[in-house]
Amino acid sequence: QKEVEQDPGPLSVPEGAIVSLNCTYSNSAFQYFMWYRQYSRKGPELLMYTYSSGNKEDGRFTAQVDKSSKYISLFIRDSQPSDSATYLCAMKPGANNLFFGTGTRLTVIP
Amino acid sequence: EPEVTQTPSHQVTQMGQEVILRCVPISNHLYFYWYRQILGQKVEFLVSFYNNEISEKSEIFDDQFSVERPDGSNFTLKIRSTKLEDSAMYFCASKASGGVETQYFGPGTRLLVL
Repeated sequence: QKEVEQDPGPLSVPEGAIVSLNCTYSNSAFQYFMWYRQYSRKGPELLMYTYSSGNKEDGRFTAQVDKSSKYISLFIRDSQPSDSATYLCAMKPGANNLFFGTGTRLTVIP
Repeated sequence: EPEVTQTPSHQVTQMGQEVILRCVPISNHLYFYWYRQILGQKVEFLVSFYNNEISEKSEIFDDQFSVERPDGSNFTLKIRSTKLEDSAMYFCASKASGGVETQYFGPGTRLLVL
């Protein structure tokens, strides 16, 4: 069974802190890994997308994938109050449908 | 910027009633999806749709559910006889092509079955 595990939090950090969000998974067939951000009463919005193992950086966001450990991470540097949202990891084996984690609720305190 | 839209934003219905949730995907997209998120739980895949037919569906998507693309713009999810456990946020998503391109999500319809 395809399983994605994510600590639901909540996580509160002061403005400017480095945030680390993580997911683990059990299905080695997953090849594509995404992080979505979801504001209250909104749909998920894609933040980062990586293929297989490695790192990807986009501004203050860095996504890491370690397929050997079945572990993915999202780092947010210099966190801002506007980063307060629920962060969802999602993954898929190919051009198929997404399997989501439960989401981690992040609050960045000014 | 193009976006996926969904109507209504909220729907309250009585158990056993039929509901139709509507989505307008991004105009040049070809792949369409429905997901649901029960309060406090994961976003779960329901169904994918391409070329006017279902391409994949989950165990959740039983005979009570159906999808349709009645015209060139709308994509609908029908629940024939709603149950209490159908109460959830329903998200529509669309994707441009059959590769691994990202799915763009709508804002969701919150369905409450009483």
